[in-house]
Amino acid sequence: EAQVTQNPRYLITVTGKKLTVTCSQNMNHEYMSWYRQDPGLGLRQIYYSMNVEVTDKGDVPEGYKVSRKEKRNFPLILESPSPNQTSLYFCASSLSPSGGSLNEQFFGPGTRLTVL
Amino acid sequence: AQKVTQAQTEISVVEKEDVTLDCVYETRDTTYYLFWYKQPPSGELVFLIRRNSFDEQNEISGRYSWNFQKSTSSFNFTITASQVVDSAVYFCALDQGAQKLVFGQGTRLTINP
Repeated sequence: EAQVTQNPRYLITVTGKKLTVTCSQNMNHEYMSWYRQDPGLGLRQIYYSMNVEVTDKGDVPEGYKVSRKEKRNFPLILESPSPNQTSLYFCASSLSPSGGSLNEQFFGPGTRLTVL
Repeated sequence: AQKVTQAQTEISVVEKEDVTLDCVYETRDTTYYLFWYKQPPSGELVFLIRRNSFDEQNEISGRYSWNFQKSTSSFNFTITASQVVDSAVYFCALDQGAQKLVFGQGTRLTINP
């Protein structure tokens, strides 16, 4: 089954304790990205990757890191989480990064993160 | 700048009523894609529709219909004969190509029995 998986689905942590949210897709997609969802703001892109070892900042990259060492995986790293990073996080992947019929983004199930 | 506005923060209707969710977008691109996603209480994002900028035909899928009007930069979504299971947050989004989807703020739709 074609899918994007994220782990963990739920996480409660404390300020400053490094954490990683994993994202994996089994569709051989080149393009992957991370979004955060906050009430009243919709989803905003954090980082994106157009291929292995190619990453770039989205709209709200501060406080986050990513890596793309393998095509299927795109982990999101919070080196020193803070309460303002409490949010719902979504990973997404698509075959094509540019506008076109293949550019539909497939979303993971989401990770609800709470930073105390 | 690319922008998507969903002016209706929350809508509440009684079951079987028709309801329209508004979406207005801004873009300078001539080629772009518009999307609607549904987010039920369980939290996942469910893809509903994709429409490219060259196809202004309205689309109907069961009780769902979409009205795309480039002249007013709108891509509105109508649910006919609403049901309780339609209760969710609905997002309109614009694909500005290359990088990301730009999402609206979302509309929380509540269908009361």
